[in-house]
Amino acid sequence: KAGVTQTPRYLIKTRGQQVTLSCSPISGHRSVSWYQQTPGQGLQFLFEYFSETQRNKGNFPGRFSGRQFSNSRSEMNVSTLELGDSALYLCASSLGLGADTQYFGPGTRLTVL
Amino acid sequence: QKEVEQNSGPLSVPEGAIASLNCTYSDRVSQSFFWYRQYSGKSPELIMSIYSNGDKEDGRFTAQLNKASQYVSLLIRDSQPSDSATYLCAVKGSADYKLSFGAGTTVTVRA
Repeated sequence: KAGVTQTPRYLIKTRGQQVTLSCSPISGHRSVSWYQQTPGQGLQFLFEYFSETQRNKGNFPGRFSGRQFSNSRSEMNVSTLELGDSALYLCASSLGLGADTQYFGPGTRLTVL
Repeated sequence: QKEVEQNSGPLSVPEGAIASLNCTYSDRVSQSFFWYRQYSGKSPELIMSIYSNGDKEDGRFTAQLNKASQYVSLLIRDSQPSDSATYLCAVKGSADYKLSFGAGTTVTVRA
């Protein structure tokens, strides 16, 4: 069974631009969660999508948004990029909402210049 | 106060020794606790989950939970160089079910 895939793996943007990251969950998994990982703040929860609806949200500004499609694939968008948005963005898929076992993708490394 | 706190490390242990990792959490009502391992440059992978007070063993790994003390730990017995990684403690919130992670403890096993 294929694992979680994320595209692109690496991205370089400049301040003020926007970016869209994509995540394809494991086949049959309906929940996708997004996390930001930085050396200073560690791994922080962004949001969780299930059945195309955002079910849970972390403490991030409105510049961070996401969506989920009917095939469970998910995208997250960051608008008006700031230097502090440079991070590894990880998505994790699980069978259902709030399911205990989450499988992480390889991540997208975003660098904002 | 952070929701999940771990001993910061880094922790260096000789091969064959026991590595002991500690984690405390603030949500008194949390019921689900996890340990993830993250190798450098890789994504986290789940290695243990624990839900009841006491010990849970899986191979060389033992997770211990004490809900009264809001404390969860991970023991790695017979540590191997391949255990060198960052270990993340995660707690599922009782109200919103989101996972909160500790900052992680980096373990280095010396051959």
